[in-house]
Amino acid sequence: VLTQSPATLSVSPGERATLSCRASQNINSNLAWYQHKPGQAPRLLIHGASTRANGVPLRFTGSGSGTEFSLTISRLQSEDFAVYYCLHYNDWPPSTFGQGTRLDIK
Amino acid sequence: EVQLVESGGGLIQPGGSLRLSCAASGLSVSGYLMGWVRQAPGKGLEWVSVIYSGGNTYYADSVKGRFTISRDNFENTLYLQMNSLRVEDTAFYYCASESRSFPLVFDYWGLGTLVTVSS
Repeated sequence: VLTQSPATLSVSPGERATLSCRASQNINSNLAWYQHKPGQAPRLLIHGASTRANGVPLRFTGSGSGTEFSLTISRLQSEDFAVYYCLHYNDWPPSTFGQGTRLDIK
Repeated sequence: EVQLVESGGGLIQPGGSLRLSCAASGLSVSGYLMGWVRQAPGKGLEWVSVIYSGGNTYYADSVKGRFTISRDNFENTLYLQMNSLRVEDTAFYYCASESRSFPLVFDYWGLGTLVTVSS
């Protein structure tokens, strides 16, 4: 089970946002982060806990291993406001998503 | 470039059936782990079903026995046959594919197709 916190985060453009994801058991570094906007396909941001996917801006940073993970978005831009999900792929199947963190404009 | 395009969604009465399709280009549906993820109104993302390149399948408990995932290698298309549909199956259904470079990482996604189960 993946638990994301907070459920909603309100941050001003230009500031930094830190999202957390906690696993109920050790998942090593088998964690991905996705960004999801209404009407769009989910977008892979980070895999392997800290590796940026192709084309992902440097302001997105993933960290952690084992059971504690975080996604940091520095210098928030307007296009960054979305819902973010973590997803583990350790011991497939099953895999589970976290419940999501909604990143709102403050 | 990899593209996944879903189709087949619509309005259906409880107890009815629908078949979703996911036409793939840029990769072979038989060569990668592929699956379906859904998002119910106001809810988060939820795995529905996956099919491995070797043919093994997995289903979420909520759809086991009602949904069947399959693929047509010639048409390069992934399917989700949904039977005995329930109101709680109402959701956007997304097709997703494993990365060509990183095993088990779902890198490619379609835009989704909406399934509404209502009387």
